[in-house]
Amino acid sequence: GNSVTQMEGPVTLSEEAFLTINCTYTATGYPSLFWYVQYPGEGLQLLLKATKADDKGSNKGFEATYRKETTSFHLEKGSVQVSDSAVYFCALQSDTGNQFYFGTGTSLTVIP
Amino acid sequence: DAGITQSPRHKVTETGTPVTLRCHQTENHRYMYWYRQDPGHGLRLIHYSYGVKDTDKGEVSDGYSVSRSKTEDFLLTLESATSSQTSVYFCAITENVGANVLTFGAGSRLTVL
Repeated sequence: GNSVTQMEGPVTLSEEAFLTINCTYTATGYPSLFWYVQYPGEGLQLLLKATKADDKGSNKGFEATYRKETTSFHLEKGSVQVSDSAVYFCALQSDTGNQFYFGTGTSLTVIP
Repeated sequence: DAGITQSPRHKVTETGTPVTLRCHQTENHRYMYWYRQDPGHGLRLIHYSYGVKDTDKGEVSDGYSVSRSKTEDFLLTLESATSSQTSVYFCAITENVGANVLTFGAGSRLTVL
């Protein structure tokens, strides 16, 4: 079956620190992979995506590379800001295309 | 922003009462989804729709039913609410599976006493 496992939080970092949030997946076929972000009181919004092996998704200084050999899609940012404080969800889209599976979310707090 | 609205945004109800949450979109997207968000579980799929009157179950569908009589509306009904259904419910839409990206509503917070 399809599933996503991501590192548990909460994560607290100082401003300008390096961020890594680990995500691994189990899937049949060739899923697409995503990171979504949820700010307080809001719905999720797409942060970045990758649709095939070795693709790198990037947006707002965040990056993640689709690693089929390790079934991973880790989220990284070189220098976090207070405004990056949010909950981050790793997700996959099944190869049939009509279902999406989410991890449990990782809460990030960045302190000045 | 994509035109997707959820109503009501907040609701408090009692155990055993019926509840209907509405998701309305103005994007004419084919696919619509209902998720629930709970601490420690992330988002879990309840039901989804791939067209008018075409729906299918997700991983946590027990106790929920859905209807989609027109493209723009996807209703989630709790026939007899229980305290375990206290949650935040999110609707999401996507144009087609090739587009890949889900657009989410702002959420509906339901409390069942």
